[in-house]
Amino acid sequence: AQSVTQLDSHVSVSEGTPVLLRCNYSSSYSPSLFWYVQHPNKGLQLLLKYTSAATLVKGINGFEAEFKKSETSFHLTKPSAHMSDAAEYFCVVSDLVRDTGRRALTFGSGTRLQVQP
Amino acid sequence: KAGVTQTPRYLIKTRGQQVTLSCSPISGHRSVSWYQQTPGQGLQFLFEYFSETQRNKGNFPGRFSGRQFSNSRSEMNVSTLELGDSALYLCASSLESNNEQFFGPGTRLTVL
Repeated sequence: AQSVTQLDSHVSVSEGTPVLLRCNYSSSYSPSLFWYVQHPNKGLQLLLKYTSAATLVKGINGFEAEFKKSETSFHLTKPSAHMSDAAEYFCVVSDLVRDTGRRALTFGSGTRLQVQP
Repeated sequence: KAGVTQTPRYLIKTRGQQVTLSCSPISGHRSVSWYQQTPGQGLQFLFEYFSETQRNKGNFPGRFSGRQFSNSRSEMNVSTLELGDSALYLCASSLESNNEQFFGPGTRLTVL
């Protein structure tokens, strides 16, 4: 069975400093991995996705993530935080379910990013 | 391409009433999933419809139901509303079941 663990429920950074949001996953086959961002009272917006191409994935708003199979991690980074980055971030894994031909989607519990001025 | 739309955006109901929420997916998407989001429980999966069939269901009581029409539009219904049903209800559509999802803005339901 697949699972996703976001290692920090809250992260606080100062504006202009790097951002690191950590995500570990487990899966049986060849997963697709996603990061979504959610601003207050809004829907989730796709930041970036990994689908077995390049392991370093670049997304919108300067975010990127690296798929590390050996560490089963897919951490989200940004070199310099902006006030507008304050939001909740979700790591999501999609993988095949054995013998069904179907995919299952699993969401992490979310990381709330605060950006201090 | 138009994104996922949800109507209404805000809704206020009283306990015991029922409510129907609507979701129009991105054109060509056949999968529609529904989620409930609350501060206490976070993001919880309700159900997924694919080509008018319920494919997956989360752990919610039978008061929560849904359906999908031939044009892929979906509705979810909550009967006998409880205070705890107050939440942001999110709809997401995708080309393939349980893969990259595109979310709507949500419907904020308040039960008084």
